Amino acid sequence: AQKVTQAQTEISVVEKEDVTLDCVYETRDTTYYLFWYKQPPSGELVFLIRRNSFDEQNEISGRYSWNFQKSTSSFNFTITASQVVDSAVYFCALRRELTGGGNKLTFGTGTQLKVEL
Amino acid sequence: DAGITQSPRHKVTETGTPVTLRCHQTENHRYMYWYRQDPGHGLRLIHYSYGVKDTDKGEVSDGYSVSRSKTEDFLLTLESATSSQTSVYFCAIRVEGMGGTEAFFGQGTRLTVV
Repeated sequence: AQKVTQAQTEISVVEKEDVTLDCVYETRDTTYYLFWYKQPPSGELVFLIRRNSFDEQNEISGRYSWNFQKSTSSFNFTITASQVVDSAVYFCALRRELTGGGNKLTFGTGTQLKVEL
Repeated sequence: DAGITQSPRHKVTETGTPVTLRCHQTENHRYMYWYRQDPGHGLRLIHYSYGVKDTDKGEVSDGYSVSRSKTEDFLLTLESATSSQTSVYFCAIRVEGMGGTEAFFGQGTRLTVV
């Protein structure tokens, strides 16, 4: 069975602080993909990153960075120098293949990030 | 936005009535999905489609049916709406890109069953 756990329900930080959002996953698949999505107050889901199970290199994109550690089944997301615009719900997701070649995303329950002035 | 439009964006309906939500895409993608989002559950897959008239169930398919008679439209029907189906519904498409595929989501439909 696949499972994604985001233990942090809500995090509040002051602007310019660094913040890390945790994601722990479970899967029996040897090949899998992990994702992060952002859901701002407007409600849409914005794709942030995809990482496959063979690539444990950390990735940095501007103020965002991701730490993938297969040994601990974690795919954590760090925002450096947070800004008010980062306030959103962040979802971690795990993808598996489905019958017919499609994919299914198993989502965590999300972490609400509030960045205050 | 990957060319996905969901309609309606908001709907209030009464228990026991049928409801159909529409997902329309403009880019001819093969795979389409319906998810529902509920507090404490994240998003969960209801049904998906891997081509015209090819659909299958996801993890929370009870009480829902889907149809895909043409590539661009994927319809989700609640045959007899119940209060437990009050949720935000997202349609998604699978987009093939450089380095792999991603799921892109529509804007969501907020459905309230009273």
